[in-house]
Amino acid sequence: EPEVTQTPSHQVTQMGQEVILRCVPISNHLYFYWYRQILGQKVEFLVSFYNNEISEKSEIFDDQFSVERPDGSNFTLKIRSTKLEDSAMYFCARNRGQETQYFGPGTRLLVL
Amino acid sequence: GESVGLHLPTLSVQEGDNSIINCAYSNSASDYFIWYKQESGKGPQFIIDIRSNMDKRQGQRVTVLLNKTVKHLSLQIAATQPGDSAVYFCAEKLGGANSKLTFGKGITLSVRP
Repeated sequence: EPEVTQTPSHQVTQMGQEVILRCVPISNHLYFYWYRQILGQKVEFLVSFYNNEISEKSEIFDDQFSVERPDGSNFTLKIRSTKLEDSAMYFCARNRGQETQYFGPGTRLLVL
Repeated sequence: GESVGLHLPTLSVQEGDNSIINCAYSNSASDYFIWYKQESGKGPQFIIDIRSNMDKRQGQRVTVLLNKTVKHLSLQIAATQPGDSAVYFCAEKLGGANSKLTFGKGITLSVRP
């Protein structure tokens, strides 16, 4: 049983458009993460989110990115103006209060 | 800076043999390590983890070994099965319990029938 579900599973967008990726945890936990994986490359950390605030972010997570929990349940990653190089798999992850992070199935984003 | 890398890009093993996947890390202060399995089109799936105060940890058919002296991590899979075919990533964590994971590049395990 997955720890989180992610929607959409695939998204195709035009360069410059905004996209919102969603993560829905199975149970209510406070710590969430977004990672991305460009095709054929390693998984890269984007941002962690705790108690409705950004806890840690990477250099990749620039002003084009934002995260929020709009309704206290869903956890979203927004890319304001997509670039070609944003094409990747985006994974949401959470932990259960310990160190182990469990990943969702991912959203495949393709920017044309 | 911190980095995690894998020695070999691909590993091919015979079904039933044992597999050993190796990983080198550069940050001696990392306090937690984890192995993930990723099948095509899916998210990373947790396999096993180990804290830096341990040298070895065993799970079901898998064992993780940590050698802090040479900053080396390995994943051993006993009696490799076709279902073990996937990309395997090691990752490390530095800092608090909820800190980010830093992943290595991944190695493909291919199991020959």
